[in-house]
Amino acid sequence: QQNVQQSPESLIVPEGARTSLNCTFSDSASQYFWWYRQHSGKAPKALMSIFSNGEKEEGRFTIHLNKASLHFSLHIRDSQPSDSALYLCAVNPGGYKVVFGSGTRLLVSP
Amino acid sequence: DAGVTQTPRHEVAEKGQTIILKCEPVSGHNDLFWYRQTKIQGLELLSYFRSKSLMEDGGAFKDRFKAEMLNSSFSTLKIQPTEPKDSAVYLCASSPTGWNNQAPLFGEGTRLSVL
Repeated sequence: QQNVQQSPESLIVPEGARTSLNCTFSDSASQYFWWYRQHSGKAPKALMSIFSNGEKEEGRFTIHLNKASLHFSLHIRDSQPSDSALYLCAVNPGGYKVVFGSGTRLLVSP
Repeated sequence: DAGVTQTPRHEVAEKGQTIILKCEPVSGHNDLFWYRQTKIQGLELLSYFRSKSLMEDGGAFKDRFKAEMLNSSFSTLKIQPTEPKDSAVYLCASSPTGWNNQAPLFGEGTRLSVL
């Protein structure tokens, strides 16, 4: 049974700071990894995905995946107040039974 | 582009009532998911349809929760009878290919409060 844990549970950072969010998983055979962002009262939206070990950058966002250490992370450069949201990691070992982490609530203070 | 549409956005029910939540997936998407979101448990899969066929009936949720997909453009989630512990946000998501290389699109959810 896949176990996905996120840390920290919540985070407050000043505008302009670099933010790091972490996700650990238990099944080393997992194939697909996503980060979702959910603003309050809104739909979760896929932010970025990664399917092989390494790093991927899109604008201010970078994700890292290390399957050997069962860890992937999301880094936000120059954090903005609009980045304040619930961040969810999702791990798919294959098939449709994706497991979500419980989320990290980020608040970027102006 | 039309996204996933869920109605109602908010629902208040008395304990023991029957409620029906509705979802219209993105046109052309073959897969539809129902999730429940709470602060403690996060997102939990309730049901999964592929091309209108029920592939996952929710395990622990199956006794009072029933999802149906009568056609490719409409799905319902019935909770009968409701209990206070069912208070949560219910999210519907659709995808052309399931959870492979393309992440499903979510609706904004229905916030259910059971008194």
